[in-house]
Amino acid sequence: EAQVTQNPRYLITVTGKKLTVTCSQNMNHEYMSWYRQDPGLGLRQIYYSMNVEATDKGDVPEGYKVSRKEKRNFPLILESPSPNQTSLYFCASSPRTGAYGYTFGSGTRLTVV
Amino acid sequence: QKEVEQNSGPLSVPEGAIASLNCTYSDRVSQSFFWYRQYSGKSPELIMSIYSNGDKEDGRFTAQLNKASQYVSLLIRDSQPSDSATYLCAASGYSTLTFGKGTMLLVSP
Repeated sequence: EAQVTQNPRYLITVTGKKLTVTCSQNMNHEYMSWYRQDPGLGLRQIYYSMNVEATDKGDVPEGYKVSRKEKRNFPLILESPSPNQTSLYFCASSPRTGAYGYTFGSGTRLTVV
Repeated sequence: QKEVEQNSGPLSVPEGAIASLNCTYSDRVSQSFFWYRQYSGKSPELIMSIYSNGDKEDGRFTAQLNKASQYVSLLIRDSQPSDSATYLCAASGYSTLTFGKGTMLLVSP
């Protein structure tokens, strides 16, 4: 089944404790992206990657890191999480950007206390 | 700043009626437009894409695009309670999709 897989689905952590949210897609998509979704603010892009070893900042990159060492994986790293990073996170992929819609993962609900 | 604007709603319609959802976008270079449906706590699901001016129909859904007016709409015919969700409009740029904040649709039995 073609899909984008995110893990974990739910995560509660403490301020400052490094964490990684994994994202993997099995569709050989070139483009991958991370979004966060907050009430009243909609989906905001954190980082995106147009291909392996090519990453770029989205609208809200502060406090996050990403890497794209393989085409299928695009992990999101929070080196020192803070409570304002409590959010619902989505990974998405697309064959290429522009003319194609995204396929979203199931989401990760992160709570930082 | 590229923007996609949607009325937050909620838009309430009775079962069997036509629901009309609207969206405007600011970036004139956008070429591709998408409608996503998102149930509460779930991930967005792509339901329609449209690239050319005019109408595109898929089952009960019709997307409409007017690039001169920078306007995109989604019509849902014979609305069902299961259509109750938030509908996100998205416009393409070179490197990303810009999403609107969504319109909540409520279909009452």
